[in-house]
Amino acid sequence: DAGVTQSPTHLIKTRGQQVTLRCSPISGHKSVSWYQQVLGQGPQFIFQYYEKEERGRGNFPDRFSARQFPNYSSELNVNALLLGDSALYLCASSPSAAGFQPQHFGDGTRLSIL
Amino acid sequence: AQKVTQAQTEISVVEKEDVTLDCVYETRDTTYYLFWYKQPPSGELVFLIRRNSFDEQNEISGRYSWNFQKSTSSFNFTITASQVVDSAVYFCALSGDYGQNFVFGPGTRLSVLP
Repeated sequence: DAGVTQSPTHLIKTRGQQVTLRCSPISGHKSVSWYQQVLGQGPQFIFQYYEKEERGRGNFPDRFSARQFPNYSSELNVNALLLGDSALYLCASSPSAAGFQPQHFGDGTRLSIL
Repeated sequence: AQKVTQAQTEISVVEKEDVTLDCVYETRDTTYYLFWYKQPPSGELVFLIRRNSFDEQNEISGRYSWNFQKSTSSFNFTITASQVVDSAVYFCALSGDYGQNFVFGPGTRLSVLP
């Protein structure tokens, strides 16, 4: 079975632009979470979606938004990009939103802001 | 607020040595879950183990073992007879009973030298 897939793999943008990152969860998984990982640090929680509803939001500005589609795939949007948004963006999926379930991560999208 | 501390930023060992990675956590939840993930140079986070707050039994899986002690809020990870393939960044993470806003530690970079 395919794991969590993310696209694109790499992305280069300039300040002020907008970006959309995509994620397809493992088949059968209904929960998708997004994390930002700055170089040298641990992942920071951005959003969790379950059954198309937002279940959690981390401490990120309103420039960050996300949604989940009926097929459980998800998009993360970031507006008005700043240099500090340069990071690896990780998507994770799990069967449900329960805290005990391990999350399975994709390879990430590396976003560079010039 | 939840917090995970991994005081060891980097560790270098020679192949076949044993190594222990430390993890200390803070939470006010009575039910919580602890996880260890491995992030090899390829970037994908790989789930290793989950431990429930109400189960303090230590666990061994091959060369890996985990020691969970609620009294000291620690969840340490030991690799016995380390191998070069163990070289990676290891993250400890904490989750509450509801939702999956995992809180990750800053990670420990392990280098196993031949």
